[in-house]
Amino acid sequence: KAGVTQTPRYLIKTRGQQVTLSCSPISGHRSVSWYQQTPGQGLQFLFEYFSETQRNKGNFPGRFSGRQFSNSRSEMNVSTLELGDSALYLCASSLDLVSHSPLHFGNGTRLTVT
Amino acid sequence: KQEVTQIPAALSVPEGENLVLNCSFTDSAIYNLQWFRQDPGKGLTSLLLIQSSQREQTSGRLNASLDKSSGRSTLYIAASQPGDSATYLCAPRGGTYKYIFGTGTRLKVL
Repeated sequence: KAGVTQTPRYLIKTRGQQVTLSCSPISGHRSVSWYQQTPGQGLQFLFEYFSETQRNKGNFPGRFSGRQFSNSRSEMNVSTLELGDSALYLCASSLDLVSHSPLHFGNGTRLTVT
Repeated sequence: KQEVTQIPAALSVPEGENLVLNCSFTDSAIYNLQWFRQDPGKGLTSLLLIQSSQREQTSGRLNASLDKSSGRSTLYIAASQPGDSATYLCAPRGGTYKYIFGTGTRLKVL
């Protein structure tokens, strides 16, 4: 079974631009969540989607948004990029929202903002 | 607000040692707790998931325990190997279903 796939693996953008990251979950998984990882803040939760609806949201500004499609694939968008948005963005999928379903992560998208 | 602390932050051990990684969390109202490992520049690999009703879970040389009432979990690695070198993270899942991640323990097996 294929794992969680994130594209692209690397991105370099300049301040003020916007970026879209993509995540394909494991087949059959309906929940997708996104995380930002930086050396200073560690892993922080961005948002979680299930059945095309945002179910949870972390403490990030409105420049960070996402969506989920009917095939469970998800995209995350960051508008008006800032230098502080440079990070590894990780996507994770799970079967559903219930507690017995473990998270499976992709290898992430490394975003560098210059 | 859930806060997760992992001790120690870094650990170097000779090959073959048994070791214990600690995770503590402030809000005991959790549904489960998951342990992950992360290799440099990579995503996280799920190691063990313990439900709130369970006391421990085992997978090969790994054993994780959970004491929900005291807000603690430990990951026990038996007979450590160089391939175990990685950062280990714990993440309890709370009432809002969000996973909150600890700061991690960076392990080096020499």
